Amino acid sequence: AQSVSQHNHHVILSEAASLELGCNYSYGGTVNLFWYVQYPGQHLQLLLKYFSGDPLVKGIKGFEAEFIKSKFSFNLRKPSVQWSDTAEYFCAVNGYGNNRLAFGKGNQVVVIP
Amino acid sequence: GAGVSQSPSNKVTEKGKDVELRCDPISGHTALYWYRQSLGQGLEFLIYFQGNSAPDKSGLPSDRFSAERTGGSVSTLTIQRTQQEDSAVYLCASSSGQDYTYEQYFGPGTRLTVT
Repeated sequence: AQSVSQHNHHVILSEAASLELGCNYSYGGTVNLFWYVQYPGQHLQLLLKYFSGDPLVKGIKGFEAEFIKSKFSFNLRKPSVQWSDTAEYFCAVNGYGNNRLAFGKGNQVVVIP
Repeated sequence: GAGVSQSPSNKVTEKGKDVELRCDPISGHTALYWYRQSLGQGLEFLIYFQGNSAPDKSGLPSDRFSAERTGGSVSTLTIQRTQQEDSAVYLCASSSGQDYTYEQYFGPGTRLTVT
């Protein structure tokens, strides 16, 4: 079964600081990887995704993530956060041929102006 | 265009009662998913529908939970004899095809509170 680990559930940082959220998964085969974001009072929405190719993927709002297969990791980064990045961030994975998403428990990120 | 909609947005029910939660997927989307988001558990897969195929029910936590999808569109998740541990936000998502690479679009969720 697939599982996803996210560390440091609560993150507080100041505007312009850099953000990195860790995501590790366990799955033996080919995987697709996702980061979803949930802004306060809003739906879950896709931030970025990785299926194949360049392991460094860029998403919306200046976010990027790097897939490191040897470390089973897909960490999310943003060089300089804004107050509007305050949200909960979820890493998710599905295995080849498997439609269901397995989610991590999320990172609650608070950006202080 | 319209996104995934869910109703009701909030539901408070007494322990032991049955509840029905509704999901309207994005028009034309053939795949529909139910997930549950509860404190301390994160987001958990419940059930998946694809077209006219038999649903993948492997995530349903007990036989008190069931779901159906009528006409390949609207879906209803039913919880019978609700328990306090059923309190959670129930999320519905849809995608445009059965290819697992298709993005899943999420609805706003139904917050269920069992008292």
